Order: sequence, then C-alpha cells, then structure tokens
Amino acid sequence: DAKTTQPPSMDCAEGRAANLPCNHSTISGNEYVYWYRQIHSQGPQYIIHGLKNNETNEMASLIITEDRKSSTLILPHATLRDTAVYYCIVRVGGGTSYGKLTFGQGTILTVHP
Amino acid sequence: EAGVAQSPRYKIIEKRQSVAFWCNPISGHATLYWYQQILGQGPKLLIQFQNNGVVDDSQLPKDRFSAERLKGVDSTLKIQPAKLEDSAVYLCASSLGHDRTSGTGHEQFFGPGTRLTVL
Repeated sequence: DAKTTQPPSMDCAEGRAANLPCNHSTISGNEYVYWYRQIHSQGPQYIIHGLKNNETNEMASLIITEDRKSSTLILPHATLRDTAVYYCIVRVGGGTSYGKLTFGQGTILTVHP
Repeated sequence: EAGVAQSPRYKIIEKRQSVAFWCNPISGHATLYWYQQILGQGPKLLIQFQNNGVVDDSQLPKDRFSAERLKGVDSTLKIQPAKLEDSAVYLCASSLGHDRTSGTGHEQFFGPGTRLTVL
C-alpha cells in the first residue's frame, strides 16, 4: 500500500473548519484514501473514504486532487470533541488485501475554545 | 447495535508471565483483526481472520504470540511469555469483510482496547 505523509500536529479554533492535509504521491489507481481518527483512550473510528471523487458524509468531507496525489479532510465546524489523532491511510480496495489498514503517525488535531 | 467488546480493559503482569485477551466482534462481521498500539505510534496489525481462518499473520511474533478464532466469532490473543516491550494497547476490530470492487464493506469498527503493562 502507498505511504502517506501528514503534518504531526495542527490547531483549530472551535466552530471553524479544520482542514487536514495528506500527501500520497505514490498512490496507485486501485487504492482508496481512508481517514480514521482516534480520540484519547479509545479505539480508532472510521470517518470517510474515497477513490477519486470528493465525498461527504455526516462527519466530514474528503477532497481528493485530480491527480490523486494528495487529499484534504475537512471538518466543517470543529468542536472540542474533535480533538484527536487523525490517520490518513491509502489501501487497496479490492483484490486479496482483505481490508488491511497500515496506520502511520497521523496528525494530532487540537481544537481550542 | 452493540460494538466490539474487549476484556479485560487493563492488565498488569510481570515479564515472563502469560496473558490472554478476549474479543467479541460485532454480530455478523466475518473479518476480525488484532492490532498492537505502542504509546505514541499508530496501531500495527498483528493478525487478521476471515471467519475462523487466518488471512494475514505476517507481523505476529509467533514465538510468543498466538491467536485463535474458534467458530468464527469470538477471538483470543495470548502472549506467552511476555516481555517488557509488549507493553501496549491491544485493539480488536471487526468488519463485514471485503468487497472486491467498491471498496465498501471494509470499514473497521474498533473496540476500546486492552492496556497491557509488563513490569
């Protein structure tokens, strides 16, 4: 699976949009971009995933560049409860990978009052 | 819908002792994963089951770690004997399985983890 690069930490004011970047310049055509987050003392939580089109759900939006070499996770109105480590993961969606996730260091997002 | 259950939540043992962790996945989830998360790092996959068969155990230290998923439901992870470097949070996750075309159905649901301290 392709390697991802994320900033180690970011800050955001409560109520503002949090934009978390991720670089995955070696992504292959059959690899999806997944985002998970991990709040302190909890297991990781799935947020969103996409292949090439932008995606939106009740938690966040995922913007993938046209060349698919980078993406941005957007939390439109960050709250204090969004403080967590955010992981960007690139993974083969089909074939024999059987859903294996390879976690990096992630980005520590701190939302301030 | 009940989530992934794990027990115990915390365990403290001395090195060279044995320890076992238990996981009950979400009902109907065919795929079960065990991850190890050392403080300050992302989770690392130890073993993955599809029903009761092992799909990937390439990063499982097989000289001391073992895991089983009898009947394709609950799973146990055992460490025998434990070393200081095994201190970590052990996470269990489950998913419906894999979809070869859409990438959906791969969402993994994680349990709260078991925090192991080896003294």
